[in-house]
Amino acid sequence: DIVMTQTPLSSPVTLGQPASISCRSSQSLVHSDGNTYLSWLQQRPGQPPRLLIYKISKRFSGVPDRFSGSGAGTDFTLKISRVEAEDVGIYYCLQATQFPLTFGGGTKVEIK
Amino acid sequence: QVQLEQSGAEVKKPGASVKVSCKTSGYTFIDYAIHWVRQAPGQRLEWMGWINAGNGITKYSQKFEGRVTITRDSSASTAYMALSSLRSEDTAVYYCARVYDYWGQGTLVTVSS
Repeated sequence: DIVMTQTPLSSPVTLGQPASISCRSSQSLVHSDGNTYLSWLQQRPGQPPRLLIYKISKRFSGVPDRFSGSGAGTDFTLKISRVEAEDVGIYYCLQATQFPLTFGGGTKVEIK
Repeated sequence: QVQLEQSGAEVKKPGASVKVSCKTSGYTFIDYAIHWVRQAPGQRLEWMGWINAGNGITKYSQKFEGRVTITRDSSASTAYMALSSLRSEDTAVYYCARVYDYWGQGTLVTVSS
């Protein structure tokens, strides 16, 4: 199975300041079809996960443009350009390149 | 709008089985896969398996192979996840997700004697 490792575990951020989350996979996420199936999900307290980013950098419908994804191969990053109060929650990376799908351990974004 | 509505919370005894439903609306059911993911208390999200809603082909995580069965009723736009031989470690919130872009609200399954 592909192991997904996220850092940091927790990210206290001042409102309006940027935040960055890293995700590393134990093997390349480039699929044989040429796509890289790396996604980012947000889980607000008491809510189900919500898709933010798919295929490394494509924002899902309705996701604010302050969220951006980047990376390639085994190293990926989610950035929030200016954190807002509604961004509090746990963020997970997800690889869907290979079965079984696997998730990172999560990064908690909280307001300082 | 796309919606996935899951069945209500369940309490089961060890050794029992549970079946969770996921009723979908707002899109053509057979055009998308449905995934099942669970989240045990304090644990990361864990993928259990997947069904191609069009042809019914399934793929399961090896961890759950033999205990999990995912089915669908296309006429009702509903997917199901059944888990057998329940143990306390199966206590978790179980989610269905369309591919992984839209998610159900989650179903808490508690396994306790």
